[in-house]
Amino acid sequence: GQQVMQIPQYQHVQEGEDFTTYCNSSTTLSNIQWYKQRPGGHPVFLIQLVKSGEVKKQKRLTFQFGEAKKNSSLHITATQTTDVGTYFCAGGYVAGNMLTFGGGTRLMVKP
Amino acid sequence: DGGITQSPKYLFRKEGQNVTLSCEQNLNHDAMYWYRQDPGQGLRLIYYSQIVNDFQKGDIAEGYSVSREKKESFPLTVTSAQKNPTAFYLCASSRLAGGPALWQETQYFGPGTRLLVL
Repeated sequence: GQQVMQIPQYQHVQEGEDFTTYCNSSTTLSNIQWYKQRPGGHPVFLIQLVKSGEVKKQKRLTFQFGEAKKNSSLHITATQTTDVGTYFCAGGYVAGNMLTFGGGTRLMVKP
Repeated sequence: DGGITQSPKYLFRKEGQNVTLSCEQNLNHDAMYWYRQDPGQGLRLIYYSQIVNDFQKGDIAEGYSVSREKKESFPLTVTSAQKNPTAFYLCASSRLAGGPALWQETQYFGPGTRLLVL
């Protein structure tokens, strides 16, 4: 079936360091969404990417959608303790059906 | 204040007992979903619905049941057939897109219910 693989599963960083999580699909995506789940909380929508090669920024967060629309990344510059949480990507496939969530990357930030 | 609510926040289940988790939304969304999340894991789809009185099984529907009698409400029952029910249960809702991307609109999640087995 269609799967979205997300790496790494965990990442520890020192506050101020950068962080990147990657999402990969074996088949072409129609769109990709990113969500953040704080510890003990629920996933909250961050952004959606639709176009090939699209790049969007939200303050220190940069989201990219690959040219082939099979991969995406989320990069955080100069992490802060408020960035702690699990980041999920969710891919929509051209053939339709449900959003497919990746397994998530858990980010831990040491102050 | 628009949103999606779940109750209770914590729920305890005894052996052989059915329990029902509540999910209500006032976002006027057609689609509603139930996910299960185990500690440190991702989201697994249990059931989803696009219209009143209609719902479909997700990837892990065994041991669960749902109903959709009102657009705003999508309760989940964890039956005694679910042998390992301890998890964090998340309800979500979304609009329905047109065409083949029907289910690919942004999902809005409730605060979740933690189910523990006594």
